[in-house]
Amino acid sequence: GQQLNQSPQSMFIQEGEDVSMNCTSSSIFNTWLWYKQDPGEGPVLLIALYKAGELTSNGRLTAQFGITRKDSFLNISASIPSDVGIYFCAGRYQGAQKLVFGQGTRLTINP
Amino acid sequence: NAGVTQTPKFQVLKTGQSMTLQCAQDMNHNSMYWYRQDPGMGLRLIYYSASEGTTDKGEVPNGYNVSRLNKREFSLRLESAAPSQTSVYFCASTPGHSRSTDTQYFGPGTRLTVL
Repeated sequence: GQQLNQSPQSMFIQEGEDVSMNCTSSSIFNTWLWYKQDPGEGPVLLIALYKAGELTSNGRLTAQFGITRKDSFLNISASIPSDVGIYFCAGRYQGAQKLVFGQGTRLTINP
Repeated sequence: NAGVTQTPKFQVLKTGQSMTLQCAQDMNHNSMYWYRQDPGMGLRLIYYSASEGTTDKGEVPNGYNVSRLNKREFSLRLESAAPSQTSVYFCASTPGHSRSTDTQYFGPGTRLTVL
């Protein structure tokens, strides 16, 4: 089935560093979503993107809907310990009821 | 307002045993979903229910059945568990299909081990 390629698979950074991750698809999506999963919890929506080129921020997080509609990017500025977790991208085709998820990026922060 | 609840939180089964994972939401959402999460695989959709009374297969439906009991509840059944079904199972719900209600709300997960 359709898959999203998310990279990197894992990141080990120092507190205070900026983080960048991305997601690519071979197909066009009408919606891109970014979720975060804390250890032992279910994913929680961070940012939703609905328009090609759209740039949206949520605090220190910024996400972009790629112009080609086949990719999306998430940046985290000035990382803090509570940013630790797994970040998932997800895409949705126009009119679809289902989301397609990326494999996740596991973020580890050294204090 | 509890959101999405799942029971049990943990379960160990022997190969061939059956069990039902329960999911309920109190947000009056129309659509509900079952995912499994495996290391390095992300979230894969097993089944979903777009509205009460309807169910459809997702990406990995084999070995599972579902029941949308009413608007609140969506259960996942393993008739004959296999070790390959060892995973973390998440239930999710969403208000509907329109763009403004695209957010999926996830439950805390059920950690299932099949020996």
